[in-house]
Amino acid sequence: KQEVTQIPAALSVPEGENLVLNCSFTDSAIYNLQWFRQDPGKGLTSLLLIQSSQREQTSGRLNASLDKSSGRSTLYIAASQPGDSATYLCAVGGQAGTALIFGKGTTLSVSS
Amino acid sequence: DAGITQSPRHKVTETGTPVTLRCHQTENHRYMYWYRQDPGHGLRLIHYSYGVKDTDKGEVSDGYSVSRSKTEDFLLTLESATSSQTSVYFCAISESEGRTLHFGNGTRLTVT
Repeated sequence: KQEVTQIPAALSVPEGENLVLNCSFTDSAIYNLQWFRQDPGKGLTSLLLIQSSQREQTSGRLNASLDKSSGRSTLYIAASQPGDSATYLCAVGGQAGTALIFGKGTTLSVSS
Repeated sequence: DAGITQSPRHKVTETGTPVTLRCHQTENHRYMYWYRQDPGHGLRLIHYSYGVKDTDKGEVSDGYSVSRSKTEDFLLTLESATSSQTSVYFCAISESEGRTLHFGNGTRLTVT
């Protein structure tokens, strides 16, 4: 059974710092991996989608990498801002037709 | 933002009563999902649909049923609500398998 782990559970950084959020998964036979952001009381917003054949995806200050063989993905946030404060979740998709399995998230706090 | 509306946004009900949550989309996406989010468990899939009248069970489907009679609407029913079903329920949609998942803003359900 696929398990997704995100460490750390919480992270506090000063504004302007570059940071990395980690996601690990136990079964490397994945279809894709997605990173989401969740603000308090809100739904999830998709940030980046990496297909199993890709190594990374970039959007603005965000860069997500995928290493299937080691069962790891990282989300790199450059020049963090207070508006980046949120919970970040990764989710792994198995073979086509199966549901995403979510990690429990990393709650990021960026102080000004 | 993807056009996803969940109703109601908040509901308090008593143990043993039936409850129906509604998800409405305006994107004409084929796939629709119901997740629940609980502290310590993260997001878990309840049921999903891959077309009108085509549904399947997720990880935590016991005590829940779903129906999809139109592309745009996906209903989640708790036949007899229990306190363990107190949770935040999220609807999500995707255009096809392996594509980005878009979430609604959630329904907070409290069963007393």
